[in-house]
Amino acid sequence: SSELTQDPAVSVALGQTVRITCQGDSLRSYYASWYQQKPGQAPVLVIYGENNRPSGIPDRFSGSSSGNTASLTITGAQAEDEADYYCNSRDSSDNHWVFGGGTKLTVL
Amino acid sequence: QLQLQESGPGLVKPSETLSLTCTVSGGSISSSSYYWGCIRQPPGKGLEWIGSIYYSGSTYYNPSLKSRVTISVDTSKNQFSLKLSSVTAADTAVYYCARQESLPDAFDIWGQGTMVTVSS
Repeated sequence: SSELTQDPAVSVALGQTVRITCQGDSLRSYYASWYQQKPGQAPVLVIYGENNRPSGIPDRFSGSSSGNTASLTITGAQAEDEADYYCNSRDSSDNHWVFGGGTKLTVL
Repeated sequence: QLQLQESGPGLVKPSETLSLTCTVSGGSISSSSYYWGCIRQPPGKGLEWIGSIYYSGSTYYNPSLKSRVTISVDTSKNQFSLKLSSVTAADTAVYYCARQESLPDAFDIWGQGTMVTVSS
């Protein structure tokens, strides 16, 4: 089965832009979805498809994809964006799904 | 709005079967637009997809867990259920239920999660 690789930790200065990446062969065929998880809480969907935000997700969150890499960009990071972020994609074997290992975002 | 609620025993003995029920409220589990998924997260670790089910009963399982996992749906109760057999301490985790859109894929609504500990 496919794997999705994320950097374990990323930091960003308050108000600056940060990109969190996710790499995997399945991303050449399928879009990634992105989840934000704060301590003690369930994950929350922030981006899915080509670049879709669910209702209530601020527009500073955006998604993109190129080749085998999907990216989540936060433009103007806020203190409340400090969290773990996970990517997810359908596996290349079709009806299986896989999560990346997660990226811990620190807002300085 | 649609909500999911996990329920089940918080403690399971090694070698026994973990059973979890996910109740859907505020919407129908029989919608043809969605799958229903089970995801877990061991303490301090990342998310792991366990499996998904369509309202018709079609199931899809993580290959690494497939031999031990069964997911079923009860449309009359608006519930789906997870059974994980022969559990060990490695199965200790928070277990989540989620609604799953398909193409584009997304787990768009999650339950609050329930902690299951495997210990004698």
